[in-house]
Amino acid sequence: DAGVTQSPTHLIKTRGQQVTLRCSPKSGHDTVSWYQQALGQGPQFIFQYYEEEERQRGNFPDRFSGHQFPNYSSELNVNALLLGDSALYLCASSFGTGLGEQYFGPGTRLTVT
Amino acid sequence: GESVGLHLPTLSVQEGDNSIINCAYSNSASDYFIWYKQESGKGPQFIIDIRSNMDKRQGQRVTVLLNKTVKHLSLQIAATQPGDSAVYFCAGGGADGLTFGKGTHLIIQP
Repeated sequence: DAGVTQSPTHLIKTRGQQVTLRCSPKSGHDTVSWYQQALGQGPQFIFQYYEEEERQRGNFPDRFSGHQFPNYSSELNVNALLLGDSALYLCASSFGTGLGEQYFGPGTRLTVT
Repeated sequence: GESVGLHLPTLSVQEGDNSIINCAYSNSASDYFIWYKQESGKGPQFIIDIRSNMDKRQGQRVTVLLNKTVKHLSLQIAATQPGDSAVYFCAGGGADGLTFGKGTHLIIQP
């Protein structure tokens, strides 16, 4: 049973560029949440997707957007990258939008130079 | 909004001893709390959760205690093993998703 997978593992971008990160949820899960984890900090909630719609959103600017596909996989897009966007981006999957166990992927390490 | 934090950034324990990691939260509306373990280079791994209508829940070698009066929860790990070495996060859940604290680095000494 495959767990949550994310791609790419590492990414280096330049300020002002755009980036797309990808996530495939654990088998049987239909909800995907995205988190940003700065070095030495806890993950911060970006948004959650369910039934191909954004259901909840944390305190992140509109430069952060996402998408969920019919197969439940998801993308996180970040436009006009800033140095401060450098972080580990984590995807977590769960079943339904209720409060329940979220399974995290290994993350994508984004470095903005 | 929710604010979840941990009392100590680093906790050092002897192998075989019990570990207690503490967490305080500020949002009384949080109705779900989770402990995660994160090893270097990996995503957070679910350990145990507890809902606000409970004050204690036990898992395998782990126990979570919730004190709603003082807005405090703790994670107890029995007979700490080298494999328990990691950063531990508490997270509070509510209408705005999960809010994580900064983490406590648990160090196991032989």
